[in-house]
Amino acid sequence: GNSVTQMEGPVTLSEEAFLTINCTYTATGYPSLFWYVQYPGEGLQLLLKATKADDKGSNKGFEATYRKETTSFHLEKGSVQVSDSAVYFCALSERGSTLGRLYFGRGTQLTVWP
Amino acid sequence: DAEITQSPRHKITETGRQVTLACHQTWNHNNMFWYRQDLGHGLRLIHYSYGVHDTNKGEVSDGYSVSRSNTEDLPLTLESAASSQTSVYFCASSEETFSPLHFGNGTRLTVT
Repeated sequence: GNSVTQMEGPVTLSEEAFLTINCTYTATGYPSLFWYVQYPGEGLQLLLKATKADDKGSNKGFEATYRKETTSFHLEKGSVQVSDSAVYFCALSERGSTLGRLYFGRGTQLTVWP
Repeated sequence: DAEITQSPRHKITETGRQVTLACHQTWNHNNMFWYRQDLGHGLRLIHYSYGVHDTNKGEVSDGYSVSRSNTEDLPLTLESAASSQTSVYFCASSEETFSPLHFGNGTRLTVT
């Protein structure tokens, strides 16, 4: 089946620190991979995506590379800001019978201190 | 601008009552989804629809139902609310297969 595992939180960093949030997946086919971000009191927003192996998604200084050999899609940012404090979700969508469905990880809470 | 709107934002109800959560999108998307978000579980899919009159069960559909009579709306009904259904509910839509989801701001439901 399909599943996503991401690192347990919460993650607490100082401003300008380097961020990594690990995400690995299990899929029976060829998934597309996503990172979504949820700010307090809001719904989820797409942060970045990658649709095939070795693709790199990037947005707002965040990056993630689709690694088929390690079934991973780790989220990174070189210098975090206080405004990056949010919950981050890794997700996959698989081409197959349940078209367009997203499978989410449990989310990682990030808090950045000034 | 197109958007997806959920109502109410907060709801408190009693065990056994029927509750309906509204979801309305102006994106004209065919695909619509309902998720619930619980601490330690992330988001879990309740029901989804790929078009008018189409509905499908997700992984946690027991106790919930949906209907799709038009493109814009996918109301979620709890037939007989239970305390285990206390959660934050998110509606989402997407333009086509594998397109990113657009989420509403959620409905926080408390069942007492």
